[in-house]
Amino acid sequence: QPVLTQSSSASVSLGSSVKLTCTLTSGHSHYIVAWHQRQPGKAPRYLMNLEGSGTYNRGSGVPDRFSGSSSGADRYLTISNVQSEDEADYYCETWDSNTPVVFGGGTKLAVL
Amino acid sequence: EVQLVESGGGLVKPGGSLTLSCAASGFTFSSYNMNWVRQAPGKGLEWVSSISRSASDIYYADSVKGRFTTSRDNAKKSMYLQMNSLRAEDTAIYYCARGLREVAGNIDYWGQGALVTVSA
Repeated sequence: QPVLTQSSSASVSLGSSVKLTCTLTSGHSHYIVAWHQRQPGKAPRYLMNLEGSGTYNRGSGVPDRFSGSSSGADRYLTISNVQSEDEADYYCETWDSNTPVVFGGGTKLAVL
Repeated sequence: EVQLVESGGGLVKPGGSLTLSCAASGFTFSSYNMNWVRQAPGKGLEWVSSISRSASDIYYADSVKGRFTTSRDNAKKSMYLQMNSLRAEDTAIYYCARGLREVAGNIDYWGQGALVTVSA
């Protein structure tokens, strides 16, 4: 089954950009992942689907400051012009026939 | 507007039972797989269960298999999670989530969550 690995934390200065990484296990590098954001005290929010080719599709209402890219087994979420409200936990998700839903451990993003 | 509203959370003693409901609106419920995901205090997101569009396929995480039962009623646009033999480690916010794939996963909408606390 696929396993998703994320750094536990990251930090970024207000107005700068940050790139978060989600790494798929070997053998699953072609998998699509979804990125989700969980702001403190709020329900998670779907951000986008991201393919191995780097093609991504943002969810409804997601600002275009959020973008995705891929390289091999790595799936990246880039946040440009970071705002204070971007301080949140970010999770990647994938799926297959044997394991319907798998989440990464999440990255806690601090906005300085 | 897609809306998912969970209800039925609360405080229950270890070994007890609880049923969560998820009411959907704003989309054709029968066209989507549905999922339960939980988040324990201080922990990350944990997948609990998924149910396909017609309920022909239902999946459970090993941590809840044999204790939890997921069902759906497409006519009522609702999904349910029957939780039995509850343990302290089941304490979490439980989210109902819509999925895009044919059977399970690829979540694109989340409910606001229902808090389940298992404590004596």
